[in-house]
Amino acid sequence: AQKITQTQPGMFVQEKEAVTLDCTYDTSDPSYGLFWYKQPSSGEMIFLIYQGSYDQQNATEGRYSLNFQKARKSANLVISASQLGDSAMYFCAMRVQGAQKLVFGQGTRLTINP
Amino acid sequence: GAVVSQHPSRVICKSGTSVKIECRSLDFQATTMFWYRQFPKQSLMLMATSNEGSKATYEQGVEKDKFLINHASLTLSTLTVTSAHPEDSSFYICSARPRPSSPLHFGNGTRLTVT
Repeated sequence: AQKITQTQPGMFVQEKEAVTLDCTYDTSDPSYGLFWYKQPSSGEMIFLIYQGSYDQQNATEGRYSLNFQKARKSANLVISASQLGDSAMYFCAMRVQGAQKLVFGQGTRLTINP
Repeated sequence: GAVVSQHPSRVICKSGTSVKIECRSLDFQATTMFWYRQFPKQSLMLMATSNEGSKATYEQGVEKDKFLINHASLTLSTLTVTSAHPEDSSFYICSARPRPSSPLHFGNGTRLTVT
C-alpha cells in the first residue's frame, strides 16, 4: 500500500525566511510521482510542484523547490523568501504508476508572520 | 488552462433530502474524475473515481447507494448525496486531469451542511 506522511501539523515562519515542509512516503512501486498542493482558507487546491521518481534533478517552480531524497523516501517542499500569502495548508501527495488516483498526506498548516 | 468548475460552492439542506454537486472540466475532456471528501482540519480522502460512460469505482467504506455518481459526458460528473444526514456535512471536492501525465486539477469544492 502507498502511504504519505507529513509529521508537522503546524509551522510558523517569519516573513522573508525560507521554510521546509517535510514529507515522507512509502511505496514498493519503482515508478511514482510526488506532488505538493496548497490549500488556502477558501478551500481550493492549488498545484505547486511535481517530482517523478526517475527524475535526476530536483524540481523547481519559482520560489518552490522539492528536495527529493529517494533513498530516504522523502520529498520535502522548500519555499524560499516566504510571503504572507503563503499562509495555507500544504499537502504532499503520491501517485504510483498504473494508478490514476492521488493519495494525500495529513497536511501541514503554514503560518507566515509579518 | 485545465480549469475544473464545481457547483454549488456552498449548500445547506435539511436532513433526509438529497443534494447534487456538479463538477465540470471547462477546457478539456475528462474520461475520469475523482471525488474527494475533507473533514475540518483533515486531509483529502478519495471517495470514488468517476468513469465516463460506466460505473464509478468506490473506495472501501464508501456507500455507493448513498453517494451516487454519474459521469454522463466527457466534461461533467455529478455527485448526489442521497438522504443526507448531519454526519454527511463536509467539504466535497472534485478533480480531473487533462492528460494522463498532468497533475490533478481541482474544483473549488462544495461545503455541505446538513441540518
